[in-house]
Amino acid sequence: QLQLQQSGPGLVKPSETLSLTCSVSGGSTSVSGFYWGWIRQSPGKGLEWIGSMYYNGSTYYNPSLKSPVTISVDTSKNQFSLRLSSMTAADMALYYCARARGWFGFDYWSQGTLVTVSS
Amino acid sequence: DIQMTQSPSSLSASVGDRVTITCRASQGIRNDLGWYQQKPGKAPKRLIYATSYLQNGVPSRFSGSGSGTEFTLTISSLQPEDFATYYCLQHNLYPWTFGQGTKVEIK
Repeated sequence: QLQLQQSGPGLVKPSETLSLTCSVSGGSTSVSGFYWGWIRQSPGKGLEWIGSMYYNGSTYYNPSLKSPVTISVDTSKNQFSLRLSSMTAADMALYYCARARGWFGFDYWSQGTLVTVSS
Repeated sequence: DIQMTQSPSSLSASVGDRVTITCRASQGIRNDLGWYQQKPGKAPKRLIYATSYLQNGVPSRFSGSGSGTEFTLTISSLQPEDFATYYCLQHNLYPWTFGQGTKVEIK
């Protein structure tokens, strides 16, 4: 059974960078056919797809995000990460990592991390 | 971006009721649509993928149908554990987009 365990700070200062990591167990980030993604949820905007990375390193990001986004993978640690720069109050949300098998949408989700932006 | 319009935004129903939730896409998405259930404090859980395929372990009272731009999630006989918020997700084109959710409450 695949499990996704998130880690990272729940509090970020305005203009700073959010870094979240998702550790994968019960599966591998280097196996073909899977996408590893990030989604966030806020009261104002609902569920919002942030971006995804294919197993081969190709990345796809949501162009509506105002803050620069980077998704990367560390196959040696079986982890993938999200970096969101220049955080503002608009980026406050519950952040999830998730896996998509092929082109079938997200099947496994993490427990989520609530991120607050405050000085 | 493909807009997903979900309706209704909320509904009240009784145990045993048949419940139908609809998602309409702003353009055709073939059958690239999934349905998710979310309970308070929990991550979304996928119920249906590729419009009509039941996720392993999900009760058969849940079903999905549709194609192109109009999709439906049906709960044939609502159970106490089904009171939750439901979302659709289109994964036909990037950026993937979610419906705004339907909250199913107890009447």
